[in-house]
Amino acid sequence: AQSVTQLDSHVSVSEGTPVLLRCNYSSSYSPSLFWYVQHPNKGLQLLLKYTSAATLVKGINGFEAEFKKSETSFHLTKPSAHMSDAAEYFCVVREDNYGQNFVFGPGTRLSVLP
Amino acid sequence: GAGVSQSPSNKVTEKGKDVELRCDPISGHTALYWYRQSLGQGLEFLIYFQGNSAPDKSGLPSDRFSAERTGGSVSTLTIQRTQQEDSAVYLCASSRTSGGHEQYFGPGTRLTVT
Repeated sequence: AQSVTQLDSHVSVSEGTPVLLRCNYSSSYSPSLFWYVQHPNKGLQLLLKYTSAATLVKGINGFEAEFKKSETSFHLTKPSAHMSDAAEYFCVVREDNYGQNFVFGPGTRLSVLP
Repeated sequence: GAGVSQSPSNKVTEKGKDVELRCDPISGHTALYWYRQSLGQGLEFLIYFQGNSAPDKSGLPSDRFSAERTGGSVSTLTIQRTQQEDSAVYLCASSRTSGGHEQYFGPGTRLTVT
């Protein structure tokens, strides 16, 4: 069965500094992995996804994530935070091949300080 | 193209009344999901449809909750005899069936039980 751990419930960074949001997963099979972002009072938006192609995945708004099978990790990074990045971020795992269940992590709230 | 739509966007109801929430998925998406998100919390999986059948109802919190999907398209989530703890944002998502495809989320229905 799949599970997702987001190690930090809240991350605070200064504008212009790097962002690191951590995600570890467990999966019995080859997983698909996703990061979603939810801005206050807004819907969930896909940032990026990994589906067994390149292990370094680039997404929207300058975010990227690297799939590391040996570490069962899929951490989200951005070189330079912007005020508009302040939001809730969810890491999601889905097992391939009829694995219909998307398992959401508990979320990490990112604050960006001026 | 059109995304996932949900109606109503907001619903205020009295305790004990029944409510119906509607989801229109993206055309051609065979998989449909319902989630619940309480204030400041992560996503709680409720139910998943593949076509018109629901292979996974494990997340429904009680027998007051039910859902159906007709014609492989529109889905309704019904909550009978609403309680105050049912107050939350109810999110619907759809996706293609095969692995690697992400979910597309609707804007949600904010339910308030008074």
